[in-house]
Amino acid sequence: EAQVTQNPRYLITVTGKKLTVTCSQNMNHEYMSWYRQDPGLGLRQIYYSMNVEVTDKGDVPEGYKVSRKEKRNFPLILESPSPNQTSLYFCASSWGAPADTQYFGPGTRLTVL
Amino acid sequence: AQSVAQPEDQVNVAEGNPLTVKCTYSVSGNPYLFWYVQYPNRGLQFLLKYITGDNLVKGSYGFEAEFNKSQTSFHLKKPSALVSDSALYFCAVRDIGRSTSGTYKYIFGTGTRLKVLA
Repeated sequence: EAQVTQNPRYLITVTGKKLTVTCSQNMNHEYMSWYRQDPGLGLRQIYYSMNVEVTDKGDVPEGYKVSRKEKRNFPLILESPSPNQTSLYFCASSWGAPADTQYFGPGTRLTVL
Repeated sequence: AQSVAQPEDQVNVAEGNPLTVKCTYSVSGNPYLFWYVQYPNRGLQFLLKYITGDNLVKGSYGFEAEFNKSQTSFHLKKPSALVSDSALYFCAVRDIGRSTSGTYKYIFGTGTRLKVLA
């Protein structure tokens, strides 16, 4: 089954404790992206990747890191999480052409205390 | 700056009535416009998209959207609403700008919660 998976689905952590949210897709997509969803703000793009070793900032990259060492994986790293990073996070992937549809993962709900 | 606006936080409609969810956009180049739907505790699912050509785009689950370049709008519509259409709807734009390489940023609206009443 074609899908985007994220782990963990739920995470409660404390300020400053480094964490990684994994994202994996099995569709051989070139493009992957991370979003955060906050009430009243919709989805905002954090980082995206055009291909292996090619990443770029979205609209809200501060406090996040990403890497793309393999085509299928695109982990999101929070080196020192803060409470304002409490949010619902989504990973998405697509083939990469401008009109291509994005496929979204199920989401990761992160709470930073 | 590129932007997408969904002016209504919530839209209520009776089952069987037509529905419209509004979206306006502002981009510097040619817009690629999308509608996605989010059901409770789920990720976003694609509904439809506008690339070029016919201004009326048909999508999944009986939804359609009308592209209006002069009004920079891309409103989502359905002739007869179902209770199962109740969900959060997002409009999004991908602006490829004027360069050949383009940009791969996406801009989403703030979302509109659709409530269909039985």
